[in-house]
Amino acid sequence: GEDVEQSLFLSVREGDSSVINCTYTDSSSTYLYWYKQEPGAGLQLLTYIFSNMDMKQDQRLTVLLNKKDKHLSLRIADTQTGDSAIYFCAEWLAGTASKLTFGTGTRLQVTL
Amino acid sequence: KAGVTQTPRYLIKTRGQQVTLSCSPISGHRSVSWYQQTPGQGLQFLFEYFSETQRNKGNFPGRFSGRQFSNSRSEMNVSTLELGDSALYLCASSFSRVQETQYFGPGTRLLVL
Repeated sequence: GEDVEQSLFLSVREGDSSVINCTYTDSSSTYLYWYKQEPGAGLQLLTYIFSNMDMKQDQRLTVLLNKKDKHLSLRIADTQTGDSAIYFCAEWLAGTASKLTFGTGTRLQVTL
Repeated sequence: KAGVTQTPRYLIKTRGQQVTLSCSPISGHRSVSWYQQTPGQGLQFLFEYFSETQRNKGNFPGRFSGRQFSNSRSEMNVSTLELGDSALYLCASSFSRVQETQYFGPGTRLLVL
């Protein structure tokens, strides 16, 4: 199957860490992505991880991949108000050409 | 390097009309994919073009079509518009079909009245 699931909403205080979770069902996923969407805008690629990796760090972003549990997470350190947006995880399956399957999106609200 | 551009950014049409949306990929990118985003269905894959050929298609009716030109620019067309076609249409480009990372444009917001 190609279902990708995310929780709908997350609220954190400015300066705290945010953790956005994603579960997927297809174990043959090759790449897993995180995209950010601000109101009225397109999707901004944040980071991605190859399926043979467990972790990837990129400045304030840390991606963790647990292939056994088919669980992906995005941690944002020192969350800022500018991080308020909808975050989508997406999987790319080998053999499906350039098709991405997206999760439902998690709305991150950062409060002062 | 300029990003993916989409025109127009906003469109209002009435039921039964047709519409054409345009996408210019990042320079050097040869694959263009289209996605529809709606509050109810989320982000859904429409189709992918590479080297002027449709390589992959999502589960959408035949009213949705597209094409790609020799300069990799792509257009998608929706005929006989329905209210449910109101959505944000996103275009994404990638270097090749092997290179999986896709970069998205700002989208075209279509409202069908």
